[in-house]
Amino acid sequence: EDQVTQSPEALRLQEGESSSLNCSYTVSGLRGLFWYRQDPGKGPEFLFTLYSAGEEKEKERLKATLTKKESFLHITAPKPEDSATYLCAVQASGTASKLTFGTGTRLQVTL
Amino acid sequence: EAQVTQNPRYLITVTGKKLTVTCSQNMNHEYMSWYRQDPGLGLRQIYYSMNVEVTDKGDVPEGYKVSRKEKRNFPLILESPSPNQTSLYFCASRPNTGELFFGEGSRLTVL
Repeated sequence: EDQVTQSPEALRLQEGESSSLNCSYTVSGLRGLFWYRQDPGKGPEFLFTLYSAGEEKEKERLKATLTKKESFLHITAPKPEDSATYLCAVQASGTASKLTFGTGTRLQVTL
Repeated sequence: EAQVTQNPRYLITVTGKKLTVTCSQNMNHEYMSWYRQDPGLGLRQIYYSMNVEVTDKGDVPEGYKVSRKEKRNFPLILESPSPNQTSLYFCASRPNTGELFFGEGSRLTVL
């Protein structure tokens, strides 16, 4: 069974204080690993897809990386508007039917 | 604007009173899916549809029904709601490959 574990559960940073969120996964062949951002009361919003170990993608202050067992979402010099819950999900090879989600990391960035 | 639209956004109902949550997408996506989100459990797939007239169970289908008569619509039906179906529900769609686009969510309370 596919599993996704995210850590930490919650993270509080000061503005400008860089950090990383972790997503550990077990899957029977990885088709893709997805990162989403979710604001309170809203649906998840797509950030990145990673397909193979060693791949990296960047968007503004966010950078996602992938190994064979985990993915990291690095946040460089965060701002208060980066406060949100960040979700990680995996899609297994041989299936186009679903994503398996982690429970998320709730990030708060303060001034 | 490309979007997934769910209605109602908020609903309080009583045990056993049938209800339908509608979902519509304007992106001509083949794939649509329903998820529920509960604290500590993350997003779990209820049902999905690969195309019109093709639906299948996800991880937590008990107590739910769906139909896909048109490409754009994918309603979620609770024939006899129970309190354990109190949750935040998300509809999502995507093209054959790629990331999921989520609706804004429907918060359901069953008393």
